[in-house]
Amino acid sequence: GIQVEQSPPDLILQEGANSTLRCNFSDSVNNLQWFHQNPWGQLINLFYIPSGTKQNGRLSATTVATERYSLLYISSSQTTDSGVYFCAGPTGNQFYFGTGTSLTVIP
Amino acid sequence: EPEVTQTPSHQVTQMGQEVILRCVPISNHLYFYWYRQILGQKVEFLVSFYNNEISEKSEIFDDQFSVERPDGSNFTLKIRSTKLEDSAMYFCASSAAAWVGELFFGEGSRLTVL
Repeated sequence: GIQVEQSPPDLILQEGANSTLRCNFSDSVNNLQWFHQNPWGQLINLFYIPSGTKQNGRLSATTVATERYSLLYISSSQTTDSGVYFCAGPTGNQFYFGTGTSLTVIP
Repeated sequence: EPEVTQTPSHQVTQMGQEVILRCVPISNHLYFYWYRQILGQKVEFLVSFYNNEISEKSEIFDDQFSVERPDGSNFTLKIRSTKLEDSAMYFCASSAAAWVGELFFGEGSRLTVL
């Protein structure tokens, strides 16, 4: 199966700071999604972004499919942004998840 | 907004017992999945299901696991004889299309095997 690498593995931010999370795929994927796993364990859909750029409030994402990577931007971070961010993409009939970036936003 | 629902939210069981986790996918979706996440680790694929049969499964999905769509709405994961290492969060997901469809997850069922 494909390898999905995320960086950085851990990130601590002061509230209000900006950050960029990266997701690299070892092979082509047909689509790509970003998820936020909140402290209660729920997986929240952030973006469905096979290519291009999308924005949703303080979050935006860019996928460059030809270069097999995607970026998630978090601006003006808030404590509620804390949690683990996963990217995932399908090959065949399964979705592969990255190892995640654990984000802690401190007040 | 349509959502994937899972029950129970938390189940505690004794080793060797059978467990059934239930999921109601989004109604017009055709592809269904089970994933698991051991505490502190990444989300791992177990099985995908389409047209009333398994379309793909991982090496984790051995003979003690089975899936079923007993009626038009439910999608279940059965663990026949639970082991300590089956303790994890189990997520159900569904999508309208396999390779290019957006994946929607339920809130998860936390299984604790004692």
